[in-house]
Amino acid sequence: AQRVTQPEKLLSVFKGAPVELKCNYSYSGSPELFWYVQYSRQRLQLLLRHISRESIKGFTADLNKGETSFHLKKPFAQEEDSAMYYCALSGPPVGNEKLTFGTGTRLTIIP
Amino acid sequence: GAVVSQHPSWVICKSGTSVKIECRSLDFQATTMFWYRQFPKQSLMLMATSNEGSKATYEQGVEKDKFLINHASLTLSTLTVTSAHPEDSSFYICSARRQGGSQPQHFGDGTRLSIL
Repeated sequence: AQRVTQPEKLLSVFKGAPVELKCNYSYSGSPELFWYVQYSRQRLQLLLRHISRESIKGFTADLNKGETSFHLKKPFAQEEDSAMYYCALSGPPVGNEKLTFGTGTRLTIIP
Repeated sequence: GAVVSQHPSWVICKSGTSVKIECRSLDFQATTMFWYRQFPKQSLMLMATSNEGSKATYEQGVEKDKFLINHASLTLSTLTVTSAHPEDSSFYICSARRQGGSQPQHFGDGTRLSIL
């Protein structure tokens, strides 16, 4: 069974400090990992996915297969980063790309 | 691009009535749409996968006769909660995927359903 674990429900970080939101997964195969973000009063939107290896809004995430982790990082937090962040996993890769979500981490940036 | 519209955004109705929620992909064709349910302070739980022109695939524990899903076109999927009861009160969210390749899911705003 596939499972996504986000150990921190709440995370508060001072503006300008580094941010790391943890995500660990369980999947027997090669998963695709995503980070979704939900800003206040807005819909869930894709932040980044591991296959793209992009940096979006200063955030990066590296898939570590050995540790089965996909932690989200940003070197310098900004106030507009305050939001709910969900890590998600999908697999198999073709046809039925169901997403399994973690429970989410609410990130609050302290001015 | 990749806008998903969900309607209504909020509905309150009496116990025993049926409620239909629409999910539309406004600027792309979605061969696959997904329906999620989210309880307060919990994660999104996949209810079913909806493929255009075929029967939906329901997750374990989700009642097919309770949550009717229709995906009649490449831009519209509907979820009907039949004979709704207070325990069906929840936040329902749909998402849609473009056709082909490894496409991400794009989410609607969600529908808050309250059954009195």
